Amino acid sequence: GEDVEQSLFLSVREGDSSVINCTYTDSSSTYLYWYKQEPGAGLQLLTYIFSNMDMKQDQRLTVLLNKKDKHLSLRIADTQTGDSAIYFCAESDSGGYQKVTFGTGTKLQVIP
Amino acid sequence: EAGVVQSPRYKIIEKKQPVAFWCNPISGHNTLYWYRQNLGQGPELLIRYENEEAVDDSQLPKDRFSAERLKGVDSTLKIQPAELGDSAVYLCASGNTEAFFGQGTRLTVV
Repeated sequence: GEDVEQSLFLSVREGDSSVINCTYTDSSSTYLYWYKQEPGAGLQLLTYIFSNMDMKQDQRLTVLLNKKDKHLSLRIADTQTGDSAIYFCAESDSGGYQKVTFGTGTKLQVIP
Repeated sequence: EAGVVQSPRYKIIEKKQPVAFWCNPISGHNTLYWYRQNLGQGPELLIRYENEEAVDDSQLPKDRFSAERLKGVDSTLKIQPAELGDSAVYLCASGNTEAFFGQGTRLTVV
Protein backbone atom coordinates (compact mmCIF):
# COMPACT_ATOMS: atom_id res chain seq x y z
CA GLY A 1 0.00 0.00 0.00
CA GLU A 2 0.91 3.66 -0.02
CA ASP A 3 3.49 4.87 2.47
CA VAL A 4 4.39 8.44 3.41
CA GLU A 5 7.43 9.13 5.58
CA GLN A 6 8.62 12.22 7.41
CA SER A 7 11.25 13.07 9.96
CA LEU A 8 9.74 13.43 13.41
CA PHE A 9 11.18 16.71 14.65
CA LEU A 10 12.67 19.99 13.43
CA SER A 11 13.88 22.92 15.50
CA VAL A 12 14.66 26.34 13.98
CA ARG A 13 15.27 29.86 15.25
CA GLU A 14 12.68 32.54 14.68
CA GLY A 15 13.37 34.38 11.42
CA ASP A 16 15.21 31.45 9.82
CA SER A 17 13.79 29.27 7.07
CA SER A 18 12.33 25.84 7.88
CA VAL A 19 12.45 22.94 5.47
CA ILE A 20 10.26 19.93 6.18
CA ASN A 21 10.82 16.87 4.04
CA CYS A 22 8.59 13.99 3.00
CA THR A 23 8.98 10.89 0.85
CA TYR A 24 6.18 8.79 -0.58
CA THR A 25 5.97 5.50 -2.41
CA ASP A 26 2.87 5.68 -4.60
CA SER A 27 3.99 6.59 -8.11
CA SER A 28 0.39 7.26 -9.13
CA SER A 29 -0.05 10.06 -6.59
CA THR A 30 -2.01 12.88 -8.14
CA TYR A 31 -2.15 15.46 -5.37
CA LEU A 32 0.36 16.07 -2.60
CA TYR A 33 -0.64 18.10 0.41
CA TRP A 34 0.78 19.85 3.43
CA TYR A 35 -1.39 20.13 6.52
CA LYS A 36 -0.72 21.96 9.78
CA GLN A 37 -2.02 20.78 13.14
CA GLU A 38 -1.78 22.96 16.21
CA PRO A 39 -2.23 21.43 19.68
CA GLY A 40 -5.82 20.34 20.31
CA ALA A 41 -6.94 21.42 16.85
CA GLY A 42 -7.94 19.71 13.64
CA LEU A 43 -5.82 19.63 10.53
CA GLN A 44 -5.57 22.80 8.46
CA LEU A 45 -4.79 22.50 4.76
CA LEU A 46 -1.81 24.77 4.04
CA THR A 47 -1.15 24.09 0.41
CA TYR A 48 -1.16 21.37 -2.20
CA ILE A 49 0.59 20.64 -5.46
CA PHE A 50 -0.42 18.64 -8.49
CA SER A 51 1.96 15.86 -9.44
CA ASN A 52 2.67 17.48 -12.83
CA MET A 53 4.17 20.53 -11.11
CA ASP A 54 7.60 20.81 -9.54
CA MET A 55 7.15 23.97 -7.50
CA LYS A 56 4.41 26.05 -5.95
CA GLN A 57 4.84 29.24 -3.95
CA ASP A 58 2.22 30.77 -1.69
CA GLN A 59 3.41 33.77 0.38
CA ARG A 60 5.95 32.36 2.89
CA LEU A 61 5.40 28.78 1.77
CA THR A 62 7.27 27.05 -1.05
CA VAL A 63 6.53 23.47 -2.03
CA LEU A 64 9.08 21.55 -4.07
CA LEU A 65 8.27 18.23 -5.70
CA ASN A 66 10.81 15.81 -7.12
CA LYS A 67 8.57 13.24 -8.76
CA LYS A 68 11.47 11.05 -9.88
CA ASP A 69 12.69 10.63 -6.30
CA LYS A 70 9.14 10.82 -4.82
CA HIS A 71 10.33 13.61 -2.54
CA LEU A 72 8.25 16.55 -1.37
CA SER A 73 9.41 19.47 0.75
CA LEU A 74 7.79 22.45 2.44
CA ARG A 75 9.89 25.55 3.00
CA ILE A 76 8.63 28.19 5.41
CA ALA A 77 10.43 31.49 5.00
CA ASP A 78 10.94 33.82 7.98
CA THR A 79 9.63 31.23 10.43
CA GLN A 80 7.58 32.69 13.28
CA THR A 81 6.68 31.28 16.71
CA GLY A 82 3.10 30.89 15.45
CA ASP A 83 4.42 28.36 12.93
CA SER A 84 5.16 25.93 15.76
CA ALA A 85 2.93 22.94 15.07
CA ILE A 86 2.94 19.47 13.57
CA TYR A 87 3.13 19.40 9.79
CA PHE A 88 1.69 16.45 7.89
CA CYS A 89 2.55 15.48 4.36
CA ALA A 90 -0.21 13.61 2.53
CA GLU A 91 -0.85 12.15 -0.90
CA SER A 92 -3.85 10.99 -2.84
CA ASP A 93 -4.04 8.49 -5.63
CA SER A 94 -5.39 8.87 -9.11
CA GLY A 95 -8.00 6.16 -8.91
CA GLY A 96 -10.88 8.53 -9.47
CA TYR A 97 -11.47 8.88 -5.75
CA GLN A 98 -9.50 11.15 -3.49
CA LYS A 99 -8.15 8.74 -0.89
CA VAL A 100 -5.65 10.68 1.20
CA THR A 101 -2.79 8.92 2.98
CA PHE A 102 -0.93 10.85 5.69
CA GLY A 103 2.61 10.74 6.96
CA THR A 104 3.44 10.54 10.64
CA GLY A 105 3.97 14.28 10.97
CA THR A 106 6.96 16.54 11.68
CA LYS A 107 6.88 18.58 14.85
CA LEU A 108 8.30 22.04 14.16
CA GLN A 109 9.62 23.92 17.16
CA VAL A 110 10.43 27.59 16.62
CA ILE A 111 12.87 29.03 19.14
CA PRO A 112 12.41 32.76 19.86
CA GLU B 1 -18.69 29.44 4.91
CA ALA B 2 -19.06 26.94 7.74
CA GLY B 3 -16.41 24.28 7.99
CA VAL B 4 -16.78 20.63 8.85
CA VAL B 5 -18.68 20.37 12.12
CA GLN B 6 -18.18 17.47 14.49
CA SER B 7 -19.79 16.65 17.79
CA PRO B 8 -19.16 16.03 20.55
CA ARG B 9 -15.69 17.56 20.96
CA TYR B 10 -14.82 15.29 23.86
CA LYS B 11 -16.23 12.01 25.11
CA ILE B 12 -15.23 9.84 28.05
CA ILE B 13 -16.84 6.42 28.36
CA GLU B 14 -16.23 3.19 30.15
CA LYS B 15 -15.05 0.20 28.15
CA LYS B 16 -17.79 -1.99 26.69
CA GLN B 17 -20.10 1.01 26.36
CA PRO B 18 -21.32 2.26 22.97
CA VAL B 19 -20.41 5.67 21.57
CA ALA B 20 -21.39 7.65 18.50
CA PHE B 21 -19.83 10.58 16.69
CA TRP B 22 -21.58 12.95 14.33
CA CYS B 23 -20.23 14.89 11.36
CA ASN B 24 -21.78 17.59 9.19
CA PRO B 25 -19.59 18.14 6.12
CA ILE B 26 -19.12 21.29 4.12
CA SER B 27 -22.09 21.89 1.82
CA GLY B 28 -21.51 20.55 -1.68
CA HIS B 29 -18.76 18.13 -0.74
CA ASN B 30 -19.52 14.68 -2.07
CA THR B 31 -16.61 12.88 -0.41
CA LEU B 32 -16.66 12.34 3.33
CA TYR B 33 -13.93 10.66 5.37
CA TRP B 34 -13.62 9.33 8.88
CA TYR B 35 -10.06 9.16 10.20
CA ARG B 36 -8.66 7.99 13.49
CA GLN B 37 -5.59 9.73 14.89
CA ASN B 38 -3.69 8.06 17.69
CA LEU B 39 -1.46 10.18 19.89
CA GLY B 40 1.74 11.17 18.08
CA GLN B 41 0.69 9.70 14.76
CA GLY B 42 -0.87 10.81 11.52
CA PRO B 43 -4.53 10.25 10.75
CA GLU B 44 -5.48 6.81 9.45
CA LEU B 45 -8.45 6.36 7.18
CA LEU B 46 -11.35 4.34 8.59
CA ILE B 47 -13.96 4.84 5.89
CA ARG B 48 -14.56 7.02 2.86
CA TYR B 49 -17.93 7.87 1.34
CA GLU B 50 -18.80 9.13 -2.09
CA ASN B 51 -22.26 10.58 -1.52
CA GLU B 52 -24.07 7.87 0.44
CA GLU B 53 -21.91 4.99 -0.80
CA ALA B 54 -19.03 3.66 1.31
CA VAL B 55 -16.32 3.22 -1.34
CA ASP B 56 -13.46 2.30 0.99
CA ASP B 57 -14.07 0.70 4.38
CA SER B 58 -11.15 -1.71 4.30
CA GLN B 59 -9.61 -0.24 7.47
CA LEU B 60 -12.84 -0.14 9.47
CA PRO B 61 -12.93 -2.80 12.25
CA LYS B 62 -16.33 -4.05 11.29
CA ASP B 63 -16.83 -6.23 14.34
CA ARG B 64 -17.33 -3.15 16.50
CA PHE B 65 -17.35 -0.10 14.23
CA SER B 66 -20.16 1.01 11.96
CA ALA B 67 -20.83 4.13 9.96
CA GLU B 68 -23.62 5.56 7.91
CA ARG B 69 -24.20 8.53 5.67
CA LEU B 70 -27.88 8.67 4.99
CA LYS B 71 -28.95 11.03 2.21
CA GLY B 72 -25.30 11.62 1.37
CA VAL B 73 -24.84 14.55 3.79
CA ASP B 74 -24.35 14.04 7.55
CA SER B 75 -22.58 10.99 8.83
CA THR B 76 -22.33 9.08 12.08
CA LEU B 77 -19.61 6.74 13.27
CA LYS B 78 -20.44 4.27 16.01
CA ILE B 79 -18.35 2.00 18.20
CA GLN B 80 -20.04 -0.81 20.11
CA PRO B 81 -18.63 -1.99 22.40
CA ALA B 82 -15.71 0.39 22.95
CA GLU B 83 -12.31 -0.95 24.01
CA LEU B 84 -9.44 0.81 25.78
CA GLY B 85 -7.45 0.84 22.55
CA ASP B 86 -10.14 2.90 20.83
CA SER B 87 -9.00 6.00 22.72
CA ALA B 88 -8.00 8.45 20.00
CA VAL B 89 -9.15 11.52 18.13
CA TYR B 90 -11.76 10.75 15.48
CA LEU B 91 -11.59 13.18 12.60
CA CYS B 92 -14.18 13.81 9.94
CA ALA B 93 -13.23 15.46 6.68
CA SER B 94 -15.00 16.36 3.47
CA GLY B 95 -13.90 17.56 0.09
CA ASN B 96 -13.88 17.18 -3.65
CA THR B 97 -10.22 17.60 -4.66
CA GLU B 98 -8.80 18.10 -1.18
CA ALA B 99 -9.89 17.16 2.34
CA PHE B 100 -11.02 19.78 4.85
CA PHE B 101 -11.05 18.58 8.42
CA GLY B 102 -13.26 19.14 11.40
CA GLN B 103 -11.78 19.69 14.86
CA GLY B 104 -12.32 16.08 15.79
CA THR B 105 -13.82 14.19 18.71
CA ARG B 106 -11.38 13.15 21.40
CA LEU B 107 -12.51 9.79 22.78
CA THR B 108 -11.17 8.46 26.05
CA VAL B 109 -12.14 4.93 27.03
CA VAL B 110 -11.55 4.12 30.69
